Amino acid sequence: AQTVTQSQPEMSVQEAETVTLSCTYDTSENNYYLFWYKQPPSRQMILVIRQEAYKQQNATENRFSVNFQKAAKSFSLKISDSQLGDTAMYFCAFMKTGANSKLTFGKGITLSVRP
Amino acid sequence: DVKVTQSSRYLVKRTGEKVFLECVQDMDHENMFWYRQDPGLGLRLIYFSYDVKMKEKGDIPEGYSVSREKKERFSLILESASTNQTSMYLCASSLWGRFNQPQHFGDGTRLSIL
Repeated sequence: AQTVTQSQPEMSVQEAETVTLSCTYDTSENNYYLFWYKQPPSRQMILVIRQEAYKQQNATENRFSVNFQKAAKSFSLKISDSQLGDTAMYFCAFMKTGANSKLTFGKGITLSVRP
Repeated sequence: DVKVTQSSRYLVKRTGEKVFLECVQDMDHENMFWYRQDPGLGLRLIYFSYDVKMKEKGDIPEGYSVSREKKERFSLILESASTNQTSMYLCASSLWGRFNQPQHFGDGTRLSIL
């Protein structure tokens, strides 16, 4: 079974600064997908960024980027130029390849961006 | 944009009641999921479905059942509600067979069992 660990329950960052959220996972699979989801206080979960394990290049989406270290089974999210709207819970998630795979989520981290 | 609609944002029920949580998606997605979200525990999968009338147990199915009579609708049923089922419930949907397609979530239902 896969496990996803987010060891930091809370973090805080000053507006315009950069913050990194940590995530580690455990799997015996070689091919899989990793995701970061964001859940703002309004509660709807949205996808922030995804990474395919077979790709060596780290995914980026505007101010969001990941540091994917496959050997270390680490998948951290970096948020640059933090904005007040980045305040949310962030969940790291793992999915095996396969048509009917399901997501395994970490426990989440609460990020607060200070004005 | 994909729209996943959960019938209630807030719901209060009593122990022993049979509770129905409804979820509808409008993008013809094959896959649908029910999660519960609790502080410090993240999201835990209760049940999922890959097709009409098909269901599979997730990680915490005890005390729950599901129904999928139509492709767009996936219902979560608490057969006899208990106080430990007080939680936030999230529904999600995704395309079948698209390995890295994201799940799209509803707004959630905060259920309180008194």
